[in-house]
Amino acid sequence: EAGVVQSPRYKIIEKKQPVAFWCNPISGHNTLYWYLQNLGQGPELLIRYENEEAVDDSQLPKDRFSAERLKGVDSTLKIQPAELGDSAVYLCASSLGVSGSETQYFGPGTRLLVL
Amino acid sequence: AQSVTQLDSQVPVFEEAPVELRCNYSSSVSVYLFWYVQYPNQGLQLLLKYLSGSTLVKGINGFEAEFNKSQTSFHLRKPSVHISDTAEYFCAVSGVKAAGNKLTFGGGTRVLVKP
Repeated sequence: EAGVVQSPRYKIIEKKQPVAFWCNPISGHNTLYWYLQNLGQGPELLIRYENEEAVDDSQLPKDRFSAERLKGVDSTLKIQPAELGDSAVYLCASSLGVSGSETQYFGPGTRLLVL
Repeated sequence: AQSVTQLDSQVPVFEEAPVELRCNYSSSVSVYLFWYVQYPNQGLQLLLKYLSGSTLVKGINGFEAEFNKSQTSFHLRKPSVHISDTAEYFCAVSGVKAAGNKLTFGGGTRVLVKP
């Protein structure tokens, strides 16, 4: 079974430029998450989708970040414009259901460096 | 709301020695508890989780953890480590009756196994 796929794996951009990250969850997983992981810290939830609906985006900085999950499968996270402080790893995860007992399966992440 | 504290940011250990990683949590509601491992440049992988029942939970790669409700702890142990256990380990919690599957992670413990 294929795991969560993310691309690109690495991205270097200059500040004020836009950037987008793509995620393909495990087949059949209805719930998709985007996390931000700063260096030396644990992941922090940015947004959670149940199918196409963003059900928890309270931690997403909406002035510059946006996300979409068309057709309830793949998802894209966008930053526009990027700032120096956005340098981090962006992790995508998926789970079969929404219960707190469900295991979340993580992709390898996209490492972003903003210069 | 929940919070997780991993008391050690780094743990050096010799190969074939035992290791214990400490995790304490705070929550006003009952929780599920998780340990994830992150190898360099990879996503997080579930080691084990506590949902209910026996407080001693066995996971993959010879790891086990013990849930202690009175001390609000969920420490991770392995009796004999290998070089390949060098990684970062994250403790996480989610609320049993919380809406949605929101994981709150600790700051991580970096384990360095020395030959």
